[in-house]
Amino acid sequence: NAGVTQTPKFQVLKTGQSMTLQCAQDMNHNSMYWYRQDPGMGLRLIYYSASEGTTDKGEVPNGYNVSRLNKREFSLRLESAAPSQTSVYFCASGSSVTDTQYFGPGTRLTVL
Amino acid sequence: AQSVTQPDIHITVSEGASLELRCNYSYGATPYLFWYVQSPGQGLQLLLKYFSGDTLVQGIKGFEAEFKRSQSSFNLRKPSVHWSDAAEYFCAALRDYGQNFVFGPGTRLSVLP
Repeated sequence: NAGVTQTPKFQVLKTGQSMTLQCAQDMNHNSMYWYRQDPGMGLRLIYYSASEGTTDKGEVPNGYNVSRLNKREFSLRLESAAPSQTSVYFCASGSSVTDTQYFGPGTRLTVL
Repeated sequence: AQSVTQPDIHITVSEGASLELRCNYSYGATPYLFWYVQSPGQGLQLLLKYFSGDTLVQGIKGFEAEFKRSQSSFNLRKPSVHWSDAAEYFCAALRDYGQNFVFGPGTRLSVLP
């Protein structure tokens, strides 16, 4: 089992460019999550998907969109990147609301 | 507002010494509580979690945490630290009516040889 995989590992964008971060899990989990990690602020939830076909906003959803493509895949899209979106992005999955979340290795994004 | 705080930004201990990392939460009811560890350049790994029952929880890598309702705390402890424990540690809480994990800002642990 690969667990939770994320692509790409690194990305540099110019202000205004768009991109999609990909996440996939092979643990048959129902729930998937996108976080951003900034120094001194811990992880903040951007969006989550409780189950296939549903998505909900987290703490910091502005400037992002998500798609739960199927049970395995949950993508995060930046339509018009801004320097404030420079961060490390983590995807996670879990089998239920109260279950452990398993994290991917992260994507380091820089917006110039 | 519901939040998780970790008062110590950075802690340095000598190898073999004991360790306690502090975590406090502010919630109306007891949330589900977690400790995660993040090694440099890596994702997060679960150390232990508390949902209910015994207030002393054992985790992986020799870590344990104690839930104290009266102090709204969930401190992480290890009796003897190893150099490989150097990492960043995050406390997190989950509200029982939603799926929003709230993470603390993290405590960076350095271990002296």
